[in-house]
Amino acid sequence: AQSVTQLDSHVSVSEGTPVLLRCNYSSSYSPSLFWYVQHPNKGLQLLLKYTSAATLVKGINGFEAEFKKSETSFHLTKPSAHMSDAAEYFCVVRGYQKVTFGTGTKLQVIP
Amino acid sequence: DGGITQSPKYLFRKEGQNVTLSCEQNLNHDAMYWYRQDPGQGLRLIYYSQIVNDFQKGDIAEGYSVSREKKESFPLTVTSAQKNPTAFYLCASSIGPTGTVYNQPQHFGDGTRLSIL
Repeated sequence: AQSVTQLDSHVSVSEGTPVLLRCNYSSSYSPSLFWYVQHPNKGLQLLLKYTSAATLVKGINGFEAEFKKSETSFHLTKPSAHMSDAAEYFCVVRGYQKVTFGTGTKLQVIP
Repeated sequence: DGGITQSPKYLFRKEGQNVTLSCEQNLNHDAMYWYRQDPGQGLRLIYYSQIVNDFQKGDIAEGYSVSREKKESFPLTVTSAQKNPTAFYLCASSIGPTGTVYNQPQHFGDGTRLSIL
C-alpha cells in the first residue's frame, strides 16, 4: 500500500520568515518522493526529488527537503519566504506501479 | 524548448456533448497521463499510457476515453456520460513506464479548465 499525507491544508507565514510544509508517507517499497508547486491556473512544476541518494535534497528557488525514513517524513522548508512563494504545494510518492499525490498545502505569504 | 502543451486553456461543454482536450509533448517521453484536479482533492488519475497504441484506466476512468496513436499526443475525450465534468484537467508525461523508471519525475502541462454551460 502507498499513501501520502500533507498535514496542513493551509499555511500562513510572513515575508522573510521560514517556511515548513509537512508531508508523511507510507510505502511498501523504497519510494521516490517529490515536491511540486502549482500557481493558480497553472500546471505543477517540480521543486525537488528524493531518489535514495542524499537525504537532504536541495531544489529550486531556495527550497529543500529532508527524507527521514524513521519518521516516514519528507518535509519541505525554506529559510526565508518570498511573496512569489505563495502557491499550492504537493507532496508526491512514486512507487513501483503507482504515483500518489497529497491533497496539497496552500501557502499564504503575508507582506 | 521542450514541454507539454495543453489546449484549449478554457473549454465549455453543453448538455449531451462530447469534448476533446488536447495534449502534445515534445520531450520524447514514453509515458503520458491524464489527471483531474478538484479543490481539496489533489490529483486523481483518469487514464495513462506507457507506449503508443496502449493505455490503461486509472482511478476515475468512467465517462472518459483516450487514444494514443502517436508518441507525442494523448487526447482526452470527456463524454456525455461524465455527469460532473467541471474540473481542471492536467496532462503529464515521464521518461518511461511507471514500473521501470519510477524515480523519474512527471512533467506537467498548464491544464485545461472545463466548465458546463
